[in-house]
Amino acid sequence: GAVVSQHPSWVICKSGTSVKIECRSLDFQATTMFWYRQFPKQSLMLMATSNEGSKATYEQGVEKDKFLINHASLTLSTLTVTSAHPEDSSFYICSASGGFSYNEQFFGPGTRLTVL
Amino acid sequence: EDKVVQSPLSLVVHEGDTVTLNCSYEVTNFRSLLWYKQEKKAPTFLFMLTSSGIEKKSGRLSSILDKKELFSILNITATQTGDSAIYLCAVEGNSGNTPLVFGKGTRLSVIA
Repeated sequence: GAVVSQHPSWVICKSGTSVKIECRSLDFQATTMFWYRQFPKQSLMLMATSNEGSKATYEQGVEKDKFLINHASLTLSTLTVTSAHPEDSSFYICSASGGFSYNEQFFGPGTRLTVL
Repeated sequence: EDKVVQSPLSLVVHEGDTVTLNCSYEVTNFRSLLWYKQEKKAPTFLFMLTSSGIEKKSGRLSSILDKKELFSILNITATQTGDSAIYLCAVEGNSGNTPLVFGKGTRLSVIA
């Protein structure tokens, strides 16, 4: 149980384009979804927390107009990287929680974004 | 199907005890195995392992990888209450549909 999927797994895009990443909870209802970014050998950096039906809460330093998050249903959240640039190349990982505890997160497999 | 299995799922120990957390995996084209500590918000990176038999050490924490038997262990010696957290294991593959697979984590509670 508690499976979280992400799509796509890998994406390569040109600079200036937008990329949408989906995060789905497959067998449970995720009231909260978290979006992380990871650089090699570093801790996961929390970008934003999204609750179903409400606006996402962004961490300090994360541009909400650049990283658009939508949590339209209890099983789906999307992250759109708008006008992507090479420095946006990274691993983007989502996790889902059926409650509001940071300690009950189930992680997706990640999306590896490469911006050329 | 790529997967990572951590054991035990939860553990309660007393301060000063030594604990060993286990992580076994099956992944296409193994690239690296990562350990994280999650206390509140984002998981904190602990170790990245790529080669078998080479122990990585940081203070009271150490970890080693066995690529033949497909597992890793995370050891914590002389545990302290501040070690209480969820410890996550993740494996990075080089191909397939799952670039990074997380285990469900081991919840460690250290009591005084």
